[in-house]
Amino acid sequence: QKEVEQNSGPLSVPEGAIASLNCTYSDRGSQSFFWYRQYSGKSPELIMSIYSNGDKEDGRFTAQLNKASQYVSLLIRDSQPSDSATYLCAVISARGSTLGRLYFGRGTQLTVWP
Amino acid sequence: NAGVTQTPKFQVLKTGQSMTLQCAQDMNHNSMYWYRQDPGMGLRLIYYSASEGTTDKGEVPNGYNVSRLNKREFSLRLESAAPSQTSVYFCASNLGANTDTQYFGPGTRLTVL
Repeated sequence: QKEVEQNSGPLSVPEGAIASLNCTYSDRGSQSFFWYRQYSGKSPELIMSIYSNGDKEDGRFTAQLNKASQYVSLLIRDSQPSDSATYLCAVISARGSTLGRLYFGRGTQLTVWP
Repeated sequence: NAGVTQTPKFQVLKTGQSMTLQCAQDMNHNSMYWYRQDPGMGLRLIYYSASEGTTDKGEVPNGYNVSRLNKREFSLRLESAAPSQTSVYFCASNLGANTDTQYFGPGTRLTVL
């Protein structure tokens, strides 16, 4: 079982719509969760981090965490063509070690069409 | 403040050749990481250094070695390159706490023929 699973997509939404990206993780002890955005040919850049159950909003982005269900999601409201990228879910899993490792999902490719 | 820098940006090697990928950060971070990214596979951790003077294996360490030269620099060496090592390599760093965001360099695109 992979540490982090994402719906593989690709996901295509019209401009102005809500894009919903989902992620599940296997380590119930994980405490730190991240969403990175990666444009084609570029490096990943952090867009959201979340550590507590519930919602965290930052502009058009909302991250949702449900530790009981081991589920993390990212909602992008009012999607823009510039949001077209691959979105990577990442989870820090300690698995008994002192330094947690960051595990990435395979990413979901999002296309926002005008 | 350049963040995380990597050299070279592109490299083509022949099977069996060796090379070193360089990474440096100017954010006074304690921990540094090397990842590879292959199509459909996501990012996989090769090696990491929790602090200056320490290194540990990640998910896919075979065929690689690393050196944490000082707090700023963390290099990745391929002793005898193989076509399976064709990939995009990213270096990252953070302060080292388990909650801490990792910041990525621009990547090195390596092709092994």
